[in-house]
Amino acid sequence: AQKITQTQPGMFVQEKEAVTLDCTYDTSDQSYGLFWYKQPSSGEMIFLIYQGSYDEQNATEGRYSLNFQKARKSANLVISASQLGDSAMYFCAFIRISSGSARQLTFGSGTQLTVLP
Amino acid sequence: GAVVSQHPSRVICKSGTSVKIECRSLDFQATTMFWYRQFPKQSLMLMATSNEGSKATYEQGVEKDKFLINHASLTLSTLTVTSAHPEDSSFYICSARAAKYNEQFFGPGTRLTVL
Repeated sequence: AQKITQTQPGMFVQEKEAVTLDCTYDTSDQSYGLFWYKQPSSGEMIFLIYQGSYDEQNATEGRYSLNFQKARKSANLVISASQLGDSAMYFCAFIRISSGSARQLTFGSGTQLTVLP
Repeated sequence: GAVVSQHPSRVICKSGTSVKIECRSLDFQATTMFWYRQFPKQSLMLMATSNEGSKATYEQGVEKDKFLINHASLTLSTLTVTSAHPEDSSFYICSARAAKYNEQFFGPGTRLTVL
């Protein structure tokens, strides 16, 4: 079974600064993907960014970028120019992509990010 | 992006009653739907995976007779918590995936409180 590790239960960042949220994974699969989701206190899961294992370039979506280091099996999320509205729980999730796979997501334990004014 | 709705958003019930939660994909056909449970300050735990027209596949430790899942159409899945007890109080989230896509679209969640 895949294991997803987020080692930072809580992080603080000053407004307008950049912050990196760590995510490592353990898999023997060759074809897989990594997602990052944001969950504010309301509970909704907001998709941020996706990286496929065969994508040669790191994914970027606006202020979000994914620092994908395949050999190290890490997929860290970088948020640039933090805003107060970025305060939320952030989850890294792994998906196995193979023929017949149910495409289930395995979530990390999450990182609670607090942006300070 | 695709929209998934969940109803109700919040429910409070007495111990011993059954509660049904609906998950709908509003603008796409969901060949697969997933049900998660999330306790406060914890991660999402997958409860079961359901494919339209077939029985749900439950994760280890999830009682299928306790948590009844029905995926009768490509746009609707329901989770029924039978004979609910206080320990079933949790945040239940569904997600839906269309065929050939990896991304899951999440519903807004249902907060269940069992008194």
